[in-house]
Amino acid sequence: AQTVTQSQPEMSVQEAETVTLSCTYDTSESDYYLFWYKQPPSRQMILVIRQEAYKQQNATENRFSVNFQKAAKSFSLKISDSQLGDAAMYFCAYEEVTNFGNEKLTFGTGTRLTIIP
Amino acid sequence: NAGVTQTPKFQVLKTGQSMTLQCAQDMNHEYMSWYRQDPGMGLRLIHYSVGAGITDQGEVPNGYNVSRSTTEDFPLRLLSAAPSQTSVYFCASKEGQAYNEQFFGPGTRLTVL
Repeated sequence: AQTVTQSQPEMSVQEAETVTLSCTYDTSESDYYLFWYKQPPSRQMILVIRQEAYKQQNATENRFSVNFQKAAKSFSLKISDSQLGDAAMYFCAYEEVTNFGNEKLTFGTGTRLTIIP
Repeated sequence: NAGVTQTPKFQVLKTGQSMTLQCAQDMNHEYMSWYRQDPGMGLRLIHYSVGAGITDQGEVPNGYNVSRSTTEDFPLRLLSAAPSQTSVYFCASKEGQAYNEQFFGPGTRLTVL
């Protein structure tokens, strides 16, 4: 079974600074998808960014970017120019590719990010 | 669009009671799923469905039943509640293909005494 590991239970960053959240995963598959989801205090899960494993180029969404290292099975999230609204729990997730439409998301345990004003 | 809706938002049960958590989506998504979120454990998949009439087990299915009679609805039934089922439950839906974004409901906080 695939596993997703987030080794940083908590992180903090000064407002306007840059922070990187770590994620590693274990899989024997060559094709899969990776996601970062954000869960603010409202509890609502929100997709931040996603990456296809067969694409070498790192995904970017505005202030959010990833560093995808396929050989190392690493998928870190970089948040630039941190804002107070970025304070949340961040979950890394893995999805295998199937031909049956029964893909399942496997989540890491999360990293709680605090933004210091 | 209301997106994914869940009812109730909060529920307290006594051990042995049964109840159904409701989930509905109005996006015509084929894929729906239920997760539970416990402190320090992230979200774990309970059951999922790839379409009406088709369901399958996830990582932690014991103690839960599901059915999918329509595309819109995917209820989760607790047959005999146990304190170990105290958790926050999330329903999610997405279009059928991999890589598509999962849309989550607001969650149900369940406490079993």
